[in-house]
Amino acid sequence: LAKTTQPISMDSYEGQEVNITCSHNNIATNDYITWYQQFPSQGPRFIIQGYKTKVTNEVASLFIPADRKSSTLSLPRVSLSDTAVYYCLVGSILTGGGNKLTFGTGTQLKVEL
Amino acid sequence: NAGVTQTPKFQVLKTGQSMTLQCAQDMNHEYMSWYRQDPGMGLRLIHYSVGAGITDQGEVPNGYNVSRSTTEDFPLRLLSAAPSQTSVYFCASKPHGGEQYFGPGTRLTVT
Repeated sequence: LAKTTQPISMDSYEGQEVNITCSHNNIATNDYITWYQQFPSQGPRFIIQGYKTKVTNEVASLFIPADRKSSTLSLPRVSLSDTAVYYCLVGSILTGGGNKLTFGTGTQLKVEL
Repeated sequence: NAGVTQTPKFQVLKTGQSMTLQCAQDMNHEYMSWYRQDPGMGLRLIHYSVGAGITDQGEVPNGYNVSRSTTEDFPLRLLSAAPSQTSVYFCASKPHGGEQYFGPGTRLTVT
């Protein structure tokens, strides 16, 4: 399973764009990159998933360079409610390995006024 | 859909006691997993299942048993509770090729 490295914490202010980068040097060909968000006392919640280039949904964008050894989660115009821990995961979504994902310690994002 | 449900929400056990944490999902997902999360840490995979009748070990399986007799249910059994098993336990399910959905968690304290 590919190991991931993220910053332990980040601070931002409301209205700013936040970019959280994750390193995954040993990513395998079948691996996808998935980001989750977790609030205190809750289970993680899926944010976005991608394989290469750029993926965008209503919540975030995910940028993946050609070598796929890193990825960047971009949160546009954050608000106080975006204060949470963000996890970057790498794993195969194919049969069998689909749910054997490894969570690192995540990035604690703190958004202030 | 209720999604992924877990019971109980809180539990206190004495060392050596056994218990079962319940997990159920009503989304007909093939895959289900159990994680534990210790304070300030990420989630660690305990056991997982790719379908009814099939289970496998994750990163930290010792002291836990699982079974998957139906698609909907994936109970986690603590055989003989130890203080080191004090943690928050999360169950998750996912369809093939899709995202994981997590339950609300069970906070377990072993004294």
